[in-house]
Order: sequence, then structure tokens, then C-alpha cells
Amino acid sequence: EVQLVESGGGLVKPGGSLRLSCAASGFSFGKTWMSWVRQAPGKGLEWVGLIKSDTDGGTTDYGALVKGRFSISRDDSRDTLHLHMNSLKTEDTAIYYCATVHVFSLNFWGQGTLLTVSS
Amino acid sequence: SYELTQPPSVSVSPGQSASITCSGDNLGGKYVSWYQQKAGQSPVVVIFQDDMRPSGIPERMSGSNSGNTATLTISGTQPMDEADYYCQTWDRNTVIFGGGTKLTVL
Repeated sequence: EVQLVESGGGLVKPGGSLRLSCAASGFSFGKTWMSWVRQAPGKGLEWVGLIKSDTDGGTTDYGALVKGRFSISRDDSRDTLHLHMNSLKTEDTAIYYCATVHVFSLNFWGQGTLLTVSS
Repeated sequence: SYELTQPPSVSVSPGQSASITCSGDNLGGKYVSWYQQKAGQSPVVVIFQDDMRPSGIPERMSGSNSGNTATLTISGTQPMDEADYYCQTWDRNTVIFGGGTKLTVL
């Protein structure tokens, strides 16, 4: 059974940094592209970014609103995905989901972790 | 940047068919997925690659994509189908979501 468990959310002051993690199990994590998606309270889904598998180059792509502030990394030895967030703004407040990427869709999602950016 | 447009809301009576549209420039040339998100839950993919249904998704969910519009159709809509629905596609290695449609079954 595929499981994705996000962690690391919490309350951060504007301008601060935080790292979110996503522990994966039940599938070949190292062969799977992974993505982060966020959802602000009462709003729609917003794509944050993705990281390809190492066999596909391990490269990353990001949404326009986070590019240059957020970065995604993966630790295939621990089946864990990370989202490194810097220069946080109040508008980054959201539930952050990790998801697997397969055949052009995000086919499994975690339960999400809440980030609140507030002074 | 590429955009997907969905109606904010759609209402349907139980047992009737509901159609939710998603519009984008030459969308028919791209693959579209649809996600269902019930209140307080994570999104679930219900359609991928335009018209493919993941295992466990009921047959009453179907998808199509042609021209500038993709459509999610729910036949014989049930109260349990009440949820937010999002379309999604890819543009130059980036993931694009539509704004979401709230489906009300009343």
C-alpha cells in the first residue's frame, strides 16, 4: 500500500525558513518522480514543484510563486522527499501535500502538513 | 503562462448527470487529469490521461478532452460525489491546476 506522510509544518515568522519532509513507503521511491502541491485555507490547489528520479536526471522544476525561495531534494536511501523553504511570506500559509507523479498525473497524495506564516 | 479555467460551481440533482468543464488553449493536445477533493480530505485522482480511470474509481466517472475543452462527466450522480473537482495538465515541465469546481448534489 502506498503511503506518503508529510511532517515538519508549524508556525514560522515572515522571513523565516523551514523544511518539510515526506516519508514514502509501499512503492519504488527511487524510481518515482515526486511533487509538492499546496492549498491555502479555503483556496484551490497550487503546484509548488517537482523532482525527477535520479535515473531521469534528478532535476527540479518550480512554480512561479516559489521559484528562487523553495527547493526540493530527495534522499532515496531513506525514501524521503524534502521541501526547503526560505524567505517565507504570509501568503505561503497553506497545507502542503507531497504526491507521486506517474503517467502525467499526481496519483497518490499524502494527508498534508500545515504551514502557518505569521508574526 | 498557461491557464486552465473551470466554472466555480455546478449543481446537479441525485441520479442526474453532471458535467464539469476545463478550458485552456489547445488543451486537447495535452493530457488532462481530474482530482476529487472532499471536505477535509486530500485530493484523489479520478481521471488521468484524459479518459482513464484508476482502479477503485466508479465507472460513473468519465473524461474527455478535445479542442480547447476537457470535460469530467459524472453519470447517475450520488450524494457522495459532492466535492471540489480540479483539472490538471502539464505545460513545459510544470504542473497546471484549474481553479476548481464545487459540485453540489441537491
